[in-house]
Amino acid sequence: DAGITQSPRYKITETGRQVTLMCHQTWSHSYMFWYRQDLGHGLRLIYYSAAADITDKGEVPDGYVVSRSKTENFPLTLESATRSQTSVYFCASSDHRDGSYEQYFGPGTRLTVT
Amino acid sequence: KNEVEQSPQNLTAQEGEFITINCSYSVGISALHWLQQHPGGGIVSLFMLSSGKKKHGRLIATINIQEKHSSLHITASHPRDSAVYICAVRSPLSGGGADGLTFGKGTHLIIQP
Repeated sequence: DAGITQSPRYKITETGRQVTLMCHQTWSHSYMFWYRQDLGHGLRLIYYSAAADITDKGEVPDGYVVSRSKTENFPLTLESATRSQTSVYFCASSDHRDGSYEQYFGPGTRLTVT
Repeated sequence: KNEVEQSPQNLTAQEGEFITINCSYSVGISALHWLQQHPGGGIVSLFMLSSGKKKHGRLIATINIQEKHSSLHITASHPRDSAVYICAVRSPLSGGGADGLTFGKGTHLIIQP
């Protein structure tokens, strides 16, 4: 399907386990972003990527790892999950070539760390 | 770091009422976005504006760059407008080279029939 997708949509994991959240977009957008959304906070940027093999930290990167070997995929890995990483995670992409910087969001992944 | 404040945090109104949601920010920006988050969680972009006013159907967004303030208005509100409305400002990412978004905490709007 065209667009931006995330998987899984829901995930429950235990403290200390490694978990990877997947993000896939079909538009060939250069920029991709990972955000977390928590009560009492706006969306906060975890990591972003300007292109394949180019990634950079956002506001709250600690405890997360990203990679981008292909333009269409931008996985987010929690190397050793903690309860504080219980959150809803959104992936987004944008095509800065058109100058709009409009971001298109995936449906989100609700992660619970027990 | 840009601070983005939205008001009110929560708003309950009756169907048909005129709704105003406000957004203020602390540092100059290149543009401001309004987004809508549906009860199911999906986030969609409503407006992007850097000056003046934009209108789409019953939604109107305005921005005053000098005052660092934007408003989102909904005319003839309807229960299907119930959602979280999020203001986001565009400014350079920490790594440079491109702009990113800083988000407000959102306004939770409920329109009662």
